[in-house]
Amino acid sequence: DQQVKQNSPSLSVQEGRISILNCDYTNSMFDYFLWYKKYPAEGPTFLISISSIKDKNEDGRFTVFLNKSAKHLSLHIVPSQPGDSAVYFCAASAYQGGKLIFGQGTELSVKP
Amino acid sequence: DADVTQTPRNRITKTGKRIMLECSQTKGHDRMYWYRQDPGLGLRLIYYSFDVKDINKGEISDGYSVSRQAQAKFSLSLESAIPNQTALYFCATSDFDKGTGLEGYTFGSGTRLTVV
Repeated sequence: DQQVKQNSPSLSVQEGRISILNCDYTNSMFDYFLWYKKYPAEGPTFLISISSIKDKNEDGRFTVFLNKSAKHLSLHIVPSQPGDSAVYFCAASAYQGGKLIFGQGTELSVKP
Repeated sequence: DADVTQTPRNRITKTGKRIMLECSQTKGHDRMYWYRQDPGLGLRLIYYSFDVKDINKGEISDGYSVSRQAQAKFSLSLESAIPNQTALYFCATSDFDKGTGLEGYTFGSGTRLTVV
């Protein structure tokens, strides 16, 4: 049973436009959510996070939105750059310090 | 040197063989994890360890075993490799930030394992 779901395997956007990556979860006990970015031949690297007491967290071009009632979060990248092309993983944790459960990943391609 | 080092980077092995993947870290983190990545399935947790004396099964532990030899070392073994264990394997470490309540993972670069 996939507790964290990223239903779009891939996304293609033009440079300068907005990229929106979506993530849904089923476990209502999840309280912390993170996004990781992965380039080929490298391990995932932390991008941005949000706890359930917030509905938005922003870091430069990256913003994560959390809708707890819908059990949905999204990552917005504005403006998108070719260097953002990577696989993005959504992850969730049920409690402070709990292990992370990852989604399937979405491969983002930003075209020049 | 990388914070989290996985060896080997690539390995091809035959069905039925025993193989060990190794992970070492210089982060000083207590927590270590093994994940595998498969196309369409994302990262799935195999085993994790919150300290040297603690070993826990993850989502998909069948066919795998682990050993936490020291705080800095966490190895994953396939006792009798089978083709559906062909995947990209990642080791990760983490430290719990009591201030933010968030846990940052540091991943290794991965081991690509092919079982033929």
